[in-house]
Amino acid sequence: DAKTTQPPSMDCAEGRAANLPCNHSTISGNEYVYWYRQIHSQGPQYIIHGLKNNETNEMASLIITEDRKSSTLILPHATLRDTAVYYCIVRVNFGNEKLTFGTGTRLTIIP
Amino acid sequence: NAGVTQTPKFRVLKTGQSMTLLCAQDMNHEYMYWYRQDPGMGLRLIHYSVGEGTTAKGEVPDGYNVSRLKKQNFLLGLESAAPSQTSVYFCASSYQRGLTEAFFGQGTRLTVV
Repeated sequence: DAKTTQPPSMDCAEGRAANLPCNHSTISGNEYVYWYRQIHSQGPQYIIHGLKNNETNEMASLIITEDRKSSTLILPHATLRDTAVYYCIVRVNFGNEKLTFGTGTRLTIIP
Repeated sequence: NAGVTQTPKFRVLKTGQSMTLLCAQDMNHEYMYWYRQDPGMGLRLIHYSVGEGTTAKGEVPDGYNVSRLKKQNFLLGLESAAPSQTSVYFCASSYQRGLTEAFFGQGTRLTVV
């Protein structure tokens, strides 16, 4: 799996959009970008994933650059409950059983 | 629908003792995983299973053994606990190749003294 680089921490004002960047410059053509988050000491929670098109679900949007070397997770209207560590993971989807986490970005939503 | 359930939630062991952590999922998932998370660090994969009766090593398998005798259960064993195994352990499951998301349990906090 390709390596990812994320800033260790970020702040965002409540109600604003939180934009979390991830660099994955060595991503290969068959690798997907996944995002998970971990709130306090709970188990991680799946957010969204994508290959090359932008994706949106009820939780967030994922914007992947055209060259696929970086991506941004967008939480459109951040709330205090979005305070968590966010993990960007790059992995092959088919035939890859592993889901390997890095150290992530600690996002703090400020009232 | 309980999802992924880990037992126990907390445990204190003495060095050299053994124990088994149980992970149970009720979603009929093929894939199951054991991770550990040390303070201030990301998750590290210990072992995983791609189906009943199969197991494979992850990033940090030493000192641990696993078994997947039933599809719904994935057991993590520590034969001789060491203080370095003090950690929070998370189990996860996902439902087949081409998975879209993994579901995690709430964790087991293990302290080895």
